[in-house]
Amino acid sequence: DAGVIQSPRHEVTEMGQEVTLRCKPISGHDYLFWYRQTMMRGLELLIYFNNNVPIDDSGMPEDRFSAKMPNASFSTLKIQPSEPRDSAVYFCASQGYGNTIYFGEGSWLTVV
Amino acid sequence: EDQVTQSPEALRLQEGESSSLNCSYTVSGLRGLFWYRQDPGKGPEFLFTLYSAGEEKEKERLKATLTKKESFLHITAPKPEDSATYLCAVQAKNTDKLIFGTGTRLQVFP
Repeated sequence: DAGVIQSPRHEVTEMGQEVTLRCKPISGHDYLFWYRQTMMRGLELLIYFNNNVPIDDSGMPEDRFSAKMPNASFSTLKIQPSEPRDSAVYFCASQGYGNTIYFGEGSWLTVV
Repeated sequence: EDQVTQSPEALRLQEGESSSLNCSYTVSGLRGLFWYRQDPGKGPEFLFTLYSAGEEKEKERLKATLTKKESFLHITAPKPEDSATYLCAVQAKNTDKLIFGTGTRLQVFP
């Protein structure tokens, strides 16, 4: 099993630019989560999907953030426009039958 | 509000020196308590899930226990390769999301 696959692994962008982070969940998993990790706040849930439908987006910080899941094997998290305070590690995770949530390796975002 | 508090924030151990990490939680009906290990530059790696008070699980030098208010991760005779950040998370009965603590950063010296 390839695990949860995220891209890009690292991104450096200028303030105001659009950033798109991508995720391929584990095949057969019907839940997909987007988390953000910072030193100050730890791991925070941004949004999660069940069967491609957004269930809880209460953690999305602002309208600048949006997430989509057009099919069971792909999701995107978009930030437009990006700001320096968005710099963090963004993790995608998926869950299938049972309660275990598996994480990807993360996308390290730096906004300068 | 569901909440997870981990202590200590950081722990330095000599190789072979056993210790415990604490995870205190408040949740509106516990569905599961999870322990993850995170290495620098990596995503969290699943270790254990505990579902009810009194439950225990073991994996190599690690043993996780659960009460109605807290969980402990006991590390017996740790080795340098056990150095990592250990994260605790809870899942409430009315949701699918995990609420994480801020972690304990463990360093084991030879």
